[in-house]
Amino acid sequence: EDKVVQSPLSLVVHEGDTVTLNCSYEVTNFRSLLWYKQEKKAPTFLFMLTSSGIEKKSGRLSSILDKKELFSILNITATQTGDSAIYLCASSRRGGSEKLVFGKGTKLTVNP
Amino acid sequence: DTGVSQDPRHKITKRGQNVTFRCDPISEHNRLYWYRQTLGQGPEFLTYFQNEAQLEKSRLLSDRFSAERPKGSFSTLEIQRTEQGDSAMYLCASSFKVSAYGYTFGSGTRLTVV
Repeated sequence: EDKVVQSPLSLVVHEGDTVTLNCSYEVTNFRSLLWYKQEKKAPTFLFMLTSSGIEKKSGRLSSILDKKELFSILNITATQTGDSAIYLCASSRRGGSEKLVFGKGTKLTVNP
Repeated sequence: DTGVSQDPRHKITKRGQNVTFRCDPISEHNRLYWYRQTLGQGPEFLTYFQNEAQLEKSRLLSDRFSAERPKGSFSTLEIQRTEQGDSAMYLCASSFKVSAYGYTFGSGTRLTVV
């Protein structure tokens, strides 16, 4: 059974800090790894990673995948209070299954 | 609003009652997904439609759960004889083919079974 593990489960930082969120996975026929941000209800898409070593970047957020070591990190630089949310990591498979397998998420709290 | 819409936003029901939720996906999306999320957990896959065909179902989807997408547009998820363990956020998502942008999720229906 596919497995996605995120760490830490909870993190409290001050505005301006840089954070790194971790995601490891065990997936048969791995296709991609996705990051979502969930503030109140709907998870919103951040990144999809399919290739090792290629950094994806959006503003202060960036993410990279290591397919050899089976993990991904999400970095947020110069954090703001608006970054407070649950960050979800999910994996997808090749070969017909469309489902995503999610980790439990990392709850990030950014204090002013 | 061109996002994924879910209705109702909240539902409180007594144990043993039946409930039905509706999801309206983004109009050009042919794939529709249902997930369930409980407190402190990530979303768990329930089922997936491509157009009107239900192509994948989780073992989590017991015989009390049924989902339909009759015309390949909106979908309904029905839970019969609700139990307290069914209390959760039910999330719907949609996508067009295998998107490079993942799914678009709706805001969910929060079900509380009392």
